[in-house]
Parts: sequence; structure tokens; C-alpha cells
Amino acid sequence: EAGVAQSPRYKIIEKRQSVAFWCNPISGHATLYWYQQILGQGPKLLIQFQNNGVVDDSQLPKDRFSAERLKGVDSTLKIQPAKLEDSAVYLCASSLDRALTDEQFFGPGTRLTVL
Amino acid sequence: DAKTTQPPSMDCAEGRAANLPCNHSTISGNEYVYWYRQIHSQGPQYIIHGLKNNETNEMASLIITEDRKSSTLILPHATLRDTAVYYCIVRVAPGVTGGGNKLTFGTGTQLKVEL
Repeated sequence: EAGVAQSPRYKIIEKRQSVAFWCNPISGHATLYWYQQILGQGPKLLIQFQNNGVVDDSQLPKDRFSAERLKGVDSTLKIQPAKLEDSAVYLCASSLDRALTDEQFFGPGTRLTVL
Repeated sequence: DAKTTQPPSMDCAEGRAANLPCNHSTISGNEYVYWYRQIHSQGPQYIIHGLKNNETNEMASLIITEDRKSSTLILPHATLRDTAVYYCIVRVAPGVTGGGNKLTFGTGTQLKVEL
């Protein structure tokens, strides 16, 4: 079974530039998550989708971050404009979304460096 | 979701059991204990979860105290490949009113398995 795919794996940009990350979840998984992981910290949820609808985006900095999952499958996360403090690993995860068996499967992440 | 407390780091000799403690003294009756781990440069990986009974799977055992205020993850025969950050997470089960699939990660325990 293929896992969660993310691209690119690494990205270096200058502050005020824009960047986009792509995620393809495991086939059949209804729920998709984007997490931000700053060095030395645990992942922090940015946004959660159920199919193509947003369930939780309470910690998404909406002035600069946006995400979409138009067809309920793959998703993109965009930052525009980027700040130095956005340097982090951006993790995508997916789950079947069934009670008590909602193990989240994570992708390898995209490491973003903002200079 | 209840907050958890874990030691920042632990060492273990290869082949020996690794016992990782977690304190969750404010856990509620409908909250489960989940464990994930994150190997360097990879996304987090689900290990095990439980409510009040001890649980065992092919990866590990989870021992939850009778009062549910603490738990221990046991890797029975640690190998070098078990070197990772281990996260203890407490949250309500999906489907419970007000619950969801959100995982709130702390800083975890860095387990180092050595020869």
C-alpha cells in the first residue's frame, strides 16, 4: 500500500516569496491534515479536511497561509508571503476517519527554509 | 485535550526493554492515551493506544495505571532502529461529541538506543 506522498522534500526561499506544498493521501482516506513542525518541537496542526471540507483551521495563520482540497483527494498548502519564522517541516497526514481506528499516517514532510 | 508530561530524554541498551513514562494526571473519563514516534527525518508513526486496559501489539505494550493518571510504553527488546522521539498524546475518541481526530503533540521523549 502506497503511503502519503509529499513534494517537494526540500525548499529554500527568501522572505516575502511565496511557496506551495503538495500532498497526496493514502487512497480512500477521507481526512487529511497539515501540520507544521518547528525544530525541537512536536508537530502542530494547521488545518484538517474531511473530504473537501474544512473541519478545523483554528491554528492556520490565515493572513498568509491557505490550503485547499478541491476534489477531496490531494491537497496543497500555500504560504504567501513567507516569513523567517515559517522555516519548519510541513507534514501531511491522512486517516480513514473511523471511530477508534483513526490512525493517522504521515508523509515524509517538506522542509522549508526561509532566508 | 489533557496535557501530558514526559522526560525529555532516555537511554537504553540494545536488546533491553525500554520503558517510557507519561504523566497525564488531568485525563478525563472519555480520553484515550495514544503513542506515536518520530524517527529522524521522517513523519510520526502510530504505535499503540488504550483507554484503561493494558494493550499489546507487535510493536509495543501500553500499561495504564488503575487511576489512569499515568502510563508506560514498553518496547520489549529495543533495537538501534527504535531510536526516535516518542510522543504520548491524550485525546477523546473520534465520534465523541466535541471530539475529533486532532493530535496535540508535546515535545516528547528522545529515546536513544545504544550498543
